[in-house]
Amino acid sequence: DSGVTQTPKHLITATGQRVTLRCSPRSGDLSVYWYQQSLDQGLQFLIQYYNGEERAKGNILERFSAQQFPDLHSELNLSSLELGDSALYFCASSLMGQGYNEQFFGPGTRLTVL
Amino acid sequence: GENVEQHPSTLSVQEGDSAVIKCTYSDSASNYFPWYKQELGKRPQLIIDIRSNVGEKKDQRIAVTLNKTAKHFSLHITETQPEDSAVYFCAEPGRGFQKLVFGTGTRLLVSP
Repeated sequence: DSGVTQTPKHLITATGQRVTLRCSPRSGDLSVYWYQQSLDQGLQFLIQYYNGEERAKGNILERFSAQQFPDLHSELNLSSLELGDSALYFCASSLMGQGYNEQFFGPGTRLTVL
Repeated sequence: GENVEQHPSTLSVQEGDSAVIKCTYSDSASNYFPWYKQELGKRPQLIIDIRSNVGEKKDQRIAVTLNKTAKHFSLHITETQPEDSAVYFCAEPGRGFQKLVFGTGTRLLVSP
């Protein structure tokens, strides 16, 4: 157990819908990262927050957005869902926001868009 | 640009053999190189990392070597066991060192 929690574990929804994925970082970690992993694909970086502020952005679609709240938990919002959005979404946290800090991954949320 | 090339994409070995996975990075300023292991259906977990001030780091059966001149780093697993079967990802800090850029992954299969 990494100490990072994600809810829900599984999510099944229809095209065009909107969903929210939730992540709670390890106690004391200030930075949260979101990754998308499609079937047999690598880890695609989406976005990073550090202490409530957006720090870095990857290949995140405009239909996706995220935020980090004062209690440091983060939410990833996916809207106008398409079949291709079906994937495993991981949240990771680290103590600070630098790339040379170890990232601890949560168990992931498996999103299925039908 | 931010790019980490990882080879091979798949690797099959017999139990007891050694396995080597290689990654090449593009940013000569990169200073941190972790390796993550992801078992089927599980989260990625850090197994070893190396910083740019050393050339090699070892932890029991796994080791990582770094060649800064050639801009590549490798994961070495000796005396492989079936439980080593997983997907292994290398990574390096992205531009500005705010995140990790992951390689495409290597699926290692260790046969008994």
